[in-house]
Amino acid sequence: GQQVQQSPASLVLQEGENAELQCNFSSTATQLQWFYQSPGGSLVSLLSNPSGTKHTGRLTSTTVTKERRSSLHISSSQTTDSGTYLCAIDNNYAQGLTFGLGTRVSVFP
Amino acid sequence: NSKVIQTPRYLVKGQGQKAKMRCIPEKGHPVVFWYQQNKNNEFKFLINFQNQEVLQQIDMTEKRFSAECPSNSPCSLEIQSSEAGDSALYLCASRTGRGAETLYFGSGTRLTVL
Repeated sequence: GQQVQQSPASLVLQEGENAELQCNFSSTATQLQWFYQSPGGSLVSLLSNPSGTKHTGRLTSTTVTKERRSSLHISSSQTTDSGTYLCAIDNNYAQGLTFGLGTRVSVFP
Repeated sequence: NSKVIQTPRYLVKGQGQKAKMRCIPEKGHPVVFWYQQNKNNEFKFLINFQNQEVLQQIDMTEKRFSAECPSNSPCSLEIQSSEAGDSALYLCASRTGRGAETLYFGSGTRLTVL
């Protein structure tokens, strides 16, 4: 089955609203990354967070390693936040990352 | 953010044609990965290199692709005979190789096989 599961599959927000994205994984992860993928396909690394809580700008990620879950909180969403958010874990160093299917976020003014 | 450079951005080929894409990894990153992302957002690992050596590749890559990472030249991934099912976004990524650290991606090459 899918090693990395993300929820929800999609999310619609009004500008200014907050959002929480979830990532659950079925195997031990030595690394966990959250990515933003633009509609054009470019993949941008947002946060590397294998454990604990990390912040960058309006984003906060909390990973509880022993429970195999991570969350990404977006505060005060903006229309430019629209896109797909991907969670990926590194549990097979040789093959790099295993990705979830993403959460598609749409932010409307 | 990422300094991984991929070209071309878009590639359109007919079935049976060769399709070649290139990647310049971030400076100082000897480990390079290629992934394929299909229209359902599913990522597939294709191959990775450490310097010029192939570390691991999947069966499909070995049979149908030609890939290399020569020194002082861009890495490349070439499909020898394109099929409709090869239409996807091909993403290159690099990292330093010192333990489990951040993987940096390029903008991808979107291949359409007609």
